[in-house]
Amino acid sequence: NAGVTQTPKFRILKIGQSMTLQCAQDMNHNYMYWYRQDPGMGLKLIYYSVGAGITDKGEVPNGYNVSRSTTEDFPLRLELAAPSQTSVYFCASTRTGDTEAFFGQGTRLTVV
Amino acid sequence: AQSVTQPDIHITVSEGASLELRCNYSYGATPYLFWYVQSPGQGLQLLLKYFSGDTLVQGIKGFEAEFKRSQSSFNLRKPSVHWSDAAEYFCAVAPGRSGAGSYQLTFGKGTKLSVIP
Repeated sequence: NAGVTQTPKFRILKIGQSMTLQCAQDMNHNYMYWYRQDPGMGLKLIYYSVGAGITDKGEVPNGYNVSRSTTEDFPLRLELAAPSQTSVYFCASTRTGDTEAFFGQGTRLTVV
Repeated sequence: AQSVTQPDIHITVSEGASLELRCNYSYGATPYLFWYVQSPGQGLQLLLKYFSGDTLVQGIKGFEAEFKRSQSSFNLRKPSVHWSDAAEYFCAVAPGRSGAGSYQLTFGKGTKLSVIP
C-alpha cells in the first residue's frame, strides 16, 4: 500500500501566485487532515475533513481552502501565496476519529 | 483549549544510555495521547499511543511511555538509546472522544534528540 501520498515534495512560489498541494490516500480512510509545520514548532491543523463533501477549519485556516470530492483525495489550495505560508505541509488520514493517523512525507513550500 | 508542552528543545545522550523525553498537557478531561517521531526530511511515524487502560504503554523501536494523570504527563522512555534514534520527537493530544473531528491533534513543539556514538 502507498498510504498517504503528497505531491509535490518541494515547490517555490512567488508572492501572489496560487497552487494546489495534492494529497491522496489509498486506505479508504474517512478522516483527512492538513497540517503545517514551521521551524521549531509543532504541527498546526489547517483544515480537516470527516468524509467526502464535508470539511471544516482547524487552528490556522486563513489563506487556504480545501475540498473533498472523493474519499481518496484532499487537496489544499493556496490562492494568493504570502511569505508567511512558507512552511512544510503534511497531510494525514485516519480510518475513524480515534484511530492512528498516517502521515504523508510532506511538501516543503517556499514563498519568495 | 488543549495544549502540549515539551520543555526540552534539544537533548543529547550517549549511545547505550537511557532516555526520557518529557511531555505535559493541559486539557479538561483525559485526552488521547501520542508520541510521534520525525526523521530529517520525513513524515511523522507513530511510536505509541494511550487511549485508556494500563498507564504504561509499549511502542515500537523499544520505546515506552507512562501516563500520569496526577501530573498531566506522558513521558517517553527508552532504556538504551541507539544511534538510529536520533530524530525529533513530538508529543500530541487529541480530544479523547469519538465523533466528527475528534482526531484533531495538538502537537508540542518537539524535542530534538542527538545521539553521541
